[in-house]
Amino acid sequence: DAKTTQPTSMDCAEGRAANLPCNHSTISGNEYVYWYRQIHSQGPQYIIHGLKNNETNEMASLIITEDRKSSTLILPHATLRDTAVYYCIVREAGGTSYGKLTFGQGTILTVHP
Amino acid sequence: NAGVMQNPRHLVRRRGQEARLRCSPMKGHSHVYWYRQLPEEGLKFMVYLQKENIIDESGMPKERFSAEFPKEGPSILRIQQVVRGDSAAYFCASSPKNPGYNEKLFFGSGTQLSVL
Repeated sequence: DAKTTQPTSMDCAEGRAANLPCNHSTISGNEYVYWYRQIHSQGPQYIIHGLKNNETNEMASLIITEDRKSSTLILPHATLRDTAVYYCIVREAGGTSYGKLTFGQGTILTVHP
Repeated sequence: NAGVMQNPRHLVRRRGQEARLRCSPMKGHSHVYWYRQLPEEGLKFMVYLQKENIIDESGMPKERFSAEFPKEGPSILRIQQVVRGDSAAYFCASSPKNPGYNEKLFFGSGTQLSVL
């Protein structure tokens, strides 16, 4: 599995954009970048994923650098409910267990008033 | 559309007892995954099951833990002779098919197991 590196924690003011970085310098050409988050005491929630192009959905935007060695998750207008642990995950390339996600420590995002 | 349902939400067991955790995947989903989150640690993959088959159990402890996903009914994660180190949050996830690179997992709210 390609490994990811994320800052341990970040703060963001409510209403501002939250930009969460992730390094994945060993990512291979056919591996996707996924983002999940885990709000306290709940199960992880899928946010977004991408391969090489930037992606946007109703929750967030994902910016992947041209060399694919890093990416940034953007929450455009953070709210207090976005306070959570955010996990950047590179999907396992081979085998049959594509649902076998490797969660790191993630980034604790705290959105404050 | 009900999501992934796990029960019980909280389970308390004494050392040596058995714990049975249940997971009903989303409607139409035939692939189930179990993850464990120990206190202050990240989520760790345990096992991947399809109906009546264990596909990947590389994350399961070698002893006392077992999982099944019968043709009818929920998936069950069973822990025999629980010890205090088994205290953790256990999460189940499901997907409609073997998720390729372009699929996502849907997680339940978890079962918090406490061993006294």
